[in-house]
Amino acid sequence: EDQVTQSPEALRLQEGESSSLNCSYTVSGLRGLFWYRQDPGKGPEFLFTLYSAGEEKEKERLKATLTKKESFLHITAPKPEDSATYLCAAYSGGANSKLTFGKGITLSVRP
Amino acid sequence: DGGITQSPKYLFRKEGQNVTLSCEQNLNHDAMYWYRQDPGQGLRLIYYSQIVNDFQKGDIAEGYSVSREKKESFPLTVTSAQKNPTAFYLCASSISGRAQLSKNIQYFGAGTRLSVL
Repeated sequence: EDQVTQSPEALRLQEGESSSLNCSYTVSGLRGLFWYRQDPGKGPEFLFTLYSAGEEKEKERLKATLTKKESFLHITAPKPEDSATYLCAAYSGGANSKLTFGKGITLSVRP
Repeated sequence: DGGITQSPKYLFRKEGQNVTLSCEQNLNHDAMYWYRQDPGQGLRLIYYSQIVNDFQKGDIAEGYSVSREKKESFPLTVTSAQKNPTAFYLCASSISGRAQLSKNIQYFGAGTRLSVL
């Protein structure tokens, strides 16, 4: 069974304090790894898709990386507006494939 | 303004009652999905549809039903058989449910919060 585990469950940072969020996965034949941002009471907002180990993608203060076992979302010099829950999801491909989501990491950035 | 519209934002269900959650998209996407989100848990797939007039059960389909009569619409009915319906329900769509991965990126609506009276 496909599994996605995110850690830590919650992370509190001071504004400007860089850190990384971890997403480890056990998926047969990973075809893609997705990162989403979710604000309280709202739907997830798409951030990145990573397709193969070694790939990196960046958007403003966020950079996502992928290895054969895990993905990291690096946050450089975060601001309070980066506070949200970050979800990762793995896609294994195939005719009836689906996204398997982790439980999310709640990030709080203090001014 | 293209996007996915879910309504209502809040919904209350009485015991023994069926309720229907609406999901409409104007993105011309073929595939649509329904997820349930509970506190401390990842999103769980209820039903999905890759094309009009066809849909498949996800991981937690019991107590739910769907229809896909139009490309733009994918309503979810929470039936009285669903004994624990309180949750945040999310609808998503993607260009395609299969084919190349770039077309499988799922975009989400704002969600419907369902509570039991």
